[in-house]
Amino acid sequence: DADVTQTPRNRITKTGKRIMLECSQTKGHDRMYWYRQDPGLGLRLIYYSFDVKDINKGEISDGYSVSRQAQAKFSLSLESAIPNQTALYFCATSALDSPGDEQFFGPGTRLTVL
Amino acid sequence: QKEVEQDPGPLSVPEGAIVSLNCTYSNSAFQYFMWYRQYSRKGPELLMYTYSSGNKEDGRFTAQVDKSSKYISLFIRDSQPSDSATYLCAMSGSGGSYIPTFGRGTSLIVHP
Repeated sequence: DADVTQTPRNRITKTGKRIMLECSQTKGHDRMYWYRQDPGLGLRLIYYSFDVKDINKGEISDGYSVSRQAQAKFSLSLESAIPNQTALYFCATSALDSPGDEQFFGPGTRLTVL
Repeated sequence: QKEVEQDPGPLSVPEGAIVSLNCTYSNSAFQYFMWYRQYSRKGPELLMYTYSSGNKEDGRFTAQVDKSSKYISLFIRDSQPSDSATYLCAMSGSGGSYIPTFGRGTSLIVHP
């Protein structure tokens, strides 16, 4: 079984809809992250959490919110989706004492906002 | 200017070629230098990391860091079609709260 799982893997929605992307991990890592990947722009950090009680904004948090329900679960919400949020979304984890903060990525969620 | 610059390519080479992938950076605090590989429709995976300056070799892959020039490289010898992927450089400082900064990624195509 995969260590970092994301659901759904693909989603098509309409402008204005509320969307939740979910991430679960079995690696036992405290740190979890949400990134989006766009062609030509690379990976950009949306939110990150170093433990269950810690939530921090990343580079591009506007229009997004997150919830850390447990050590193993971190969800990303788009309260009112817009077309420029069409992207590939990745959840990642890392261990507290990892050199360079090695990131372990999930398989990604491809989101299309029409 | 972004902290980490990486040419997105694509870079197309014949099988067996030596491939050179590069990144430049501006933040002198970076101490860990990493290369991730991302296959199509997959998440990135760590390929190699180097701490501070110097070289590191792992099979056909060699990572080089030149901190004086703020320049890192990944060399792939005897490239194979299975090496076709996007390669992302990433860098972070030392200490517990540094999150890696990623380059945009370079798309590599190795054709038979």
